[in-house]
Amino acid sequence: AQSVAQPEDQVKVAEGNPLTVKCTYSVSGNPYLFWYVQYPNRGLQFLLKYITGDNLVKGSYGFEAEFNKSQTSFHLKKPSALVSDSALYFCAVRNNAGNMLTFGGGTRLMVKP
Amino acid sequence: ETGVTQSPTHLIKTRGQQVTLRCSSQSGHNTVSWYQQALGQGPQFIFQYYREEENGRGNFPPRFSGLQFPNYSSELNVNALELDDSALYLCASSLRGGGGSTEAFFGQGTRLTVV
Repeated sequence: AQSVAQPEDQVKVAEGNPLTVKCTYSVSGNPYLFWYVQYPNRGLQFLLKYITGDNLVKGSYGFEAEFNKSQTSFHLKKPSALVSDSALYFCAVRNNAGNMLTFGGGTRLMVKP
Repeated sequence: ETGVTQSPTHLIKTRGQQVTLRCSSQSGHNTVSWYQQALGQGPQFIFQYYREEENGRGNFPPRFSGLQFPNYSSELNVNALELDDSALYLCASSLRGGGGSTEAFFGQGTRLTVV
């Protein structure tokens, strides 16, 4: 069975500072990894994905993620945080059949002015 | 915003009743998945529909059922509602083919409250 862990329930950073939201995964076979963001009372919005290729993946709104196979991690990063980045972030892994996403419990990002 | 639309946005039902939630997939997508997101948790996979047939199911009882129509829209039906069914129900569409599938795009969700 596959699983995703987001070890931090909450991350607080100051506006302009770099941010990292951590994610580790467990899956048999090649990992297909995703980050989504959820704003209050809204659905999930796709940010980026890793399928294969470069370990550093660039996505929407200046976000990027670093895939590390040896550490089974897929941390989300942004060089300079904005107050508008404050939201709930979910890491997910897709199963080999390609029909199911398994999500982590989410990390609430708070960016203070 | 994605092209995935869900209706209704909010719904209140009584324990024991039945409910139907609806989802229109993004243009060009042929696959619809449903997820349940309880308060403070990550989404949990309910099932996926592809070519009008169930294509994978999570750990949910048979009283959770679904349909996919020829236009790729979908319904989620829940019978005999329980208080624990109160959650945000998310629909996601994707394009499946050629041995793979695109990333899933989610609708805004339906907030179901069971009283």
